[in-house]
Amino acid sequence: GQNIDQPTEMTATEGAIVQINCTYQTSGFNGLFWYQQHAGEAPTFLSYNVLDGLEEKGRFSSFLSRSKGYSYLLLKELQMKDSASYLCAVRDSNYQLIWGAGTKLIIKP
Amino acid sequence: GAVVSQHPSRVICKSGTSVKIECRSLDFQATTMFWYRQFPKQSLMLMATSNEGSKATYEQGVEKDKFLINHASLTLSTLTVTSAHPEDSSFYICSASIRDFEAFFGQGTRLTVV
Repeated sequence: GQNIDQPTEMTATEGAIVQINCTYQTSGFNGLFWYQQHAGEAPTFLSYNVLDGLEEKGRFSSFLSRSKGYSYLLLKELQMKDSASYLCAVRDSNYQLIWGAGTKLIIKP
Repeated sequence: GAVVSQHPSRVICKSGTSVKIECRSLDFQATTMFWYRQFPKQSLMLMATSNEGSKATYEQGVEKDKFLINHASLTLSTLTVTSAHPEDSSFYICSASIRDFEAFFGQGTRLTVV
């Protein structure tokens, strides 16, 4: 079956760096996405990786290794507003998004 | 990024009535629209995939006669929850995508059935 694994919850300190990991096993691969979701709101797009390597976008970076079925989202200079759930999703061979359960990130002062 | 508008954002209805939720892609033509349901503190659960002009493909366990999906054009899909019951209360989210790009999400609809 298809499976996306990411930690349930993480805690980090304001101003620090945090890495959220995601491992996947899917039927085919057509890209991996990271979304941010604040409570009660719809997800918002953060990053997209389809080739191996690191994609940097401001304070957020995302890494992909297709051979390992692994990705991480790196958040730098954490701000209180970064407290949210972070969802990892993989687009499979049918171009359907397979979602992880999300990682709740708690930022402490 | 592209804009997807979902309406209404909140709806309260009586048990036994039907509710229609609209999802519009405002500045692009979506080849595919997806409908999700999300329970508190849980991730998105795909309900159905909708392609313009064809019948929606429902995920296992989702009643197609209860959750009616119509994808009349490349910019509009609707989800109708028929004969709603309290257990249908949830957060419903649509997304629209063009094949090689990311999915863009609507704002979500908080449905409460009383």
